[in-house]
Amino acid sequence: NAGVTQTPKFQVLKTGQSMTLQCAQDMNHEYMSWYRQDPGMGLRLIHYSVGAGITDQGEVPNGYNVSRSTTEDFPLRLLSAAPSQTSVYFCASRAGTTRNTGELFFGEGSRLTVL
Amino acid sequence: AQTVTQSQPEMSVQEAETVTLSCTYDTSESDYYLFWYKQPPSRQMILVIRQEAYKQQNATENRFSVNFQKAAKSFSLKISDSQLGDAAMYFCAYRTPARNQFYFGTGTSLTVIP
Repeated sequence: NAGVTQTPKFQVLKTGQSMTLQCAQDMNHEYMSWYRQDPGMGLRLIHYSVGAGITDQGEVPNGYNVSRSTTEDFPLRLLSAAPSQTSVYFCASRAGTTRNTGELFFGEGSRLTVL
Repeated sequence: AQTVTQSQPEMSVQEAETVTLSCTYDTSESDYYLFWYKQPPSRQMILVIRQEAYKQQNATENRFSVNFQKAAKSFSLKISDSQLGDAAMYFCAYRTPARNQFYFGTGTSLTVIP
């Protein structure tokens, strides 16, 4: 019953450091995505993937990289962390890709602080 | 571009009373889906209710119901018999079948007063 699993749940970085947020889902969902949540701004899409080997940019992709080598995993990489990337990050997945009313299933979120 | 607007940053309700959270959206599409998500202090995002635009009947899930007004592009959430566990941030979201992006509003923080 794991659903969407994100690690780590909390992380503190210094400016310029790199790190990877891990995301794994065990529901065989084709679609996976990363959002960031900032106060007063709701959730904004960073990157998404509609299947293994396929990724695309969302609304706020700058400073982030993703890859999708398997159906289950969708890691988010911060190459050189900046204070503006301090946020709560959510990984979310859903079944199907387009014609589907399926809702997003979310991980528990990862709080990242960049000093 | 699609936008979702939640004009009430904060709302409060007495326990056992009814509260309505507002959501409007902007779209030129005729086929789309609407969602309400709840985010309690645990931070977990939980689906509350969803509505397909082609369905005229308003969706209902136990104490939660929506008032979907397609022409007005309005999708409000009504919570009846409010409980302390309903205290959370509520997000309205929109998606079209042709696109893979969900558009979220900025959220409404609901406080339930005992």
